[in-house]
Amino acid sequence: DAKTTQPTSMDCAEGRAANLPCNHSTISGNEYVYWYRQIHSQGPQYIIHGLKNNETNEMASLIITEDRKSSTLILPHATLRDTAVYYCIVRVGAYNYGQNFVFGPGTRLSVLP
Amino acid sequence: DAGVTQSPTHLIKTRGQQVTLRCSPKSGHDTVSWYQQALGQEPQFIFQYYEEEERQRGNFPDRFSGHQFPNYSSELNVNALLLGDSALYLCASEERGASGNTIYFGEGSWLTVV
Repeated sequence: DAKTTQPTSMDCAEGRAANLPCNHSTISGNEYVYWYRQIHSQGPQYIIHGLKNNETNEMASLIITEDRKSSTLILPHATLRDTAVYYCIVRVGAYNYGQNFVFGPGTRLSVLP
Repeated sequence: DAGVTQSPTHLIKTRGQQVTLRCSPKSGHDTVSWYQQALGQEPQFIFQYYEEEERQRGNFPDRFSGHQFPNYSSELNVNALLLGDSALYLCASEERGASGNTIYFGEGSWLTVV
C-alpha cells in the first residue's frame, strides 16, 4: 500500500499558485518525499524531491513540515499545461539502489482558465 | 542527453503470444525499474534491475521476466499474454546522489492484447 494520502482532485485558477498537499505520517527517517506528475497517456514526469529541507527548482517548490509527516508541492503560477495527475511518493534511496515506488491514486489537478 | 527511451511505443499482440519491450536508461544510470499501468490506474511495480541482476520484484507472475545488459539497457518479456496484460509499460532509470536518488521515467510502451 502507498504510504501517502492525497486529495482526489483539486482545481486551480490559471496564473494562481497551486498548493498540493500530501500526508505521509508514517515516513521513516531515511525516506525521501518525491513528486511526479503524469499528463494523460505520458510517462510520469519528475518534479522535485526532498528529505527534510524545503526544496525549490525551476518547476516547483516542496515544503516539508518539521515533523516530516506532511508536505506541500507548490506550483507558483499554474498554467493550463499543469493540468495532470500529481503523485506524492515516499521512498528510501540515496547512493545505492533504492526501493521501488509505490504509487497511490494521486491528485488530479485541473487548472481552469 | 537523451532521457529514458522505450520501444516500441505501441504494439498489438494476440492472447498467448509473447512480447519483448526495450528500455535505454539515461546515460550513466545503472538501475532500471519496470512498471505496469493499466488504463485509469496508477503504475504498479514489476521489478528492478541493478548490475544485471533482478534486485526487487513486485507481485507479478513468472510470465513477466526481464534482463539487464552490460550497457544498463533492459528488456521486459511477457509470455502467454492475457487480455489483462493490456497496459502502459513504463521504464524508469535511477541517478544516484547524496541528496537522494532521482528517478526518471520513459514515455512508455502501450501494449494491447486482443
